[in-house]
Amino acid sequence: QSVLTQPPSASGPPGQRVTISCSGSSSNIGSNTVNWYQQLPGTAPKLLIYSNDQRPSGVPDRISGSKSGTSASLAISGLQSEDEADYYCAAWDDSLNGAVFGGGTKLTVL
Amino acid sequence: QITLKESGPTLVKPTQTLTLTCTFSGFSLSTSGVGVGWIRQPPGKALEWLALIYWDDDKRYSPSLKSRLTIIKDTSKNQVVLTMTNVDPMDTATYYCARYHTNSWYGDWFDPWGQGTLVAVSS
Repeated sequence: QSVLTQPPSASGPPGQRVTISCSGSSSNIGSNTVNWYQQLPGTAPKLLIYSNDQRPSGVPDRISGSKSGTSASLAISGLQSEDEADYYCAAWDDSLNGAVFGGGTKLTVL
Repeated sequence: QITLKESGPTLVKPTQTLTLTCTFSGFSLSTSGVGVGWIRQPPGKALEWLALIYWDDDKRYSPSLKSRLTIIKDTSKNQVVLTMTNVDPMDTATYYCARYHTNSWYGDWFDPWGQGTLVAVSS
């Protein structure tokens, strides 16, 4: 069972906006930054959002992240078929003294 | 360009020791704020962080696996080695290494990741 909690699935038609939630605690999200990773089928994870809401070079601005208290969210607007992937949130946990990941959310573009 | 590549056995027998090597290029593990971590993913399951080594040789391990893991670095060879003792079929997974950034303002994250190497534990 993962330390960070994500919904197992999310979906939406092309062009719509979808959000994925990530719930943690005071020892991880509540006191550290949140990162999001995208894993396309059969490939390695790729950094999508770092430091709660920062996009690495090359990530389109229709993808955004936010954090409030002990929860974080990833939003993808203008859904495209290429967005079909698994999405993972992650953060440092001060109690465990290590990195923790969410259980992953499988995004389906209908 | 920063790249990382994992290497090691594809099949290990239960109770044996698994040794994985991460060979990287495009950065130095002697640079302040840099680290290399290992993360694994059992087939069809979520990512699980295993271990992390920093530029100053500080190390962190997953509490649930700490007794079985050892991480070391060879800065001159641009390599990080992870050993896992007493493997079990539950350790069957794709093992990834990734560069770790630490930043006092922005926090820390893994980027980029290697392609991963699938390790099966079976007799």
